[in-house]
Amino acid sequence: EADIYQTPRYLVIGTGKKITLECSQTMGHDKMYWYQQDPGMELHLIHYSYGVNSTEKGDLSSESTVSRIRTEHFPLTLESARPSHTSQYLCASKDGGMNTEAFFGQGTRLTVV
Amino acid sequence: GEDVEQSLFLSVREGDSSVINCTYTDSSSTYLYWYKQEPGAGLQLLTYIFSNMDMKQDQRLTVLLNKKDKHLSLRIADTQTGDSAIYFCAETPPLGDDKIIFGKGTRLHILP
Repeated sequence: EADIYQTPRYLVIGTGKKITLECSQTMGHDKMYWYQQDPGMELHLIHYSYGVNSTEKGDLSSESTVSRIRTEHFPLTLESARPSHTSQYLCASKDGGMNTEAFFGQGTRLTVV
Repeated sequence: GEDVEQSLFLSVREGDSSVINCTYTDSSSTYLYWYKQEPGAGLQLLTYIFSNMDMKQDQRLTVLLNKKDKHLSLRIADTQTGDSAIYFCAETPPLGDDKIIFGKGTRLHILP
């Protein structure tokens, strides 16, 4: 069973609010990722990290920001939520090496009203 | 650039075999993966295949790789209602920044 956790699982919040989605893993993985998943299923990489103090933007432009102060923690923040941010956000981690399984959290379903 | 293509939907009768197809563009990819996403959950690795293999079988799952055509398939024998999920094909190109490139996912629907 994967030891990667996301909180909250569901969040409904008003426009303009600041939110932080939490992601933690206890596997000691260096690499962590945030994906945004459309209702139509497609996954879009929005942020990734190779380790502490490393953060990179993904393929899909996002107004969110991330930080990686500790290996196990990779939070995602939206300074001012908008309805267009409504989506499912999935966090993943993997170890180094070419063939390593990516472990996913259960996801956070965000609704901005 | 890297791209992974899949058909979006597949309906199969319970007990029949399901075949989910995928094409990819990066011929240098060393490993190719199939992930499963059940409703309301994250993705879970089902199986993977190394690029020097043509086939890999694991219980009800058979993965076929045609490297020449860059075509990957997942066959699920004796499909059950619990197999109803979204299946993602993925690759990790060996060069670059270790991103996981996912297809758009195939939603498998099981008919009674």
